[in-house]
Amino acid sequence: EAGVTQSPTHLIKTRGQQATLRCSPISGHTSVYWYQQALGLGLQFLLWYDEGEERNRGNFPPRFSGRQFPNYSSELNVNALELEDSALYLCASSPGTVSNQPQHFGDGTRLSIL
Amino acid sequence: GQNIDQPTEMTATEGAIVQINCTYQTSGFNGLFWYQQHAGEAPTFLSYNVLDGLEEKGRFSSFLSRSKGYSYLLLKELQMKDSASYLCAVRDSNYQLIWGAGTKLIIKP
Repeated sequence: EAGVTQSPTHLIKTRGQQATLRCSPISGHTSVYWYQQALGLGLQFLLWYDEGEERNRGNFPPRFSGRQFPNYSSELNVNALELEDSALYLCASSPGTVSNQPQHFGDGTRLSIL
Repeated sequence: GQNIDQPTEMTATEGAIVQINCTYQTSGFNGLFWYQQHAGEAPTFLSYNVLDGLEEKGRFSSFLSRSKGYSYLLLKELQMKDSASYLCAVRDSNYQLIWGAGTKLIIKP
């Protein structure tokens, strides 16, 4: 069974540009979660999508947005990039809101802002 | 507010036993998860507790006390490859996962 896949692996942008990160969940998983992890720090929750709807978002500005497609894959868009957006962006998936199922993570996209 | 506390860093010796504690205050409780994260890699799922007591899985065990808002992860027969960060996460009443900042475990020979 294929795991969560994310693309691209690395992304280099400059301040003010826009970035799009992609995630394909495990087959059968309807929930997708996005996290930001700055170097040496913990996971910061960004967004949660389930069945195509945004269920919750973390304490991030509106320039962080996303969507979930009918096939449950997801995109994270970051507009007007700032230096502090440099981080590892992790996507995770789970089979909806079934409480005993863990989130499974992809390998992440490392975003570097120059 | 919701809060999860873990020690920032712990050091242990190869072959020994280490216990990583996690205390939580959340809006409701729908299970507690432990993850392992090696530097530069994605977190991987280790264990899940929803009822009080001990869950054992090989060298790793996880304990939960809901009345005390407390969990621990016990690692036995430590190996160098166990050097990693260990993340505690609680699923609240809205099925949102609330994450601790993680405990960096350093294993010395």
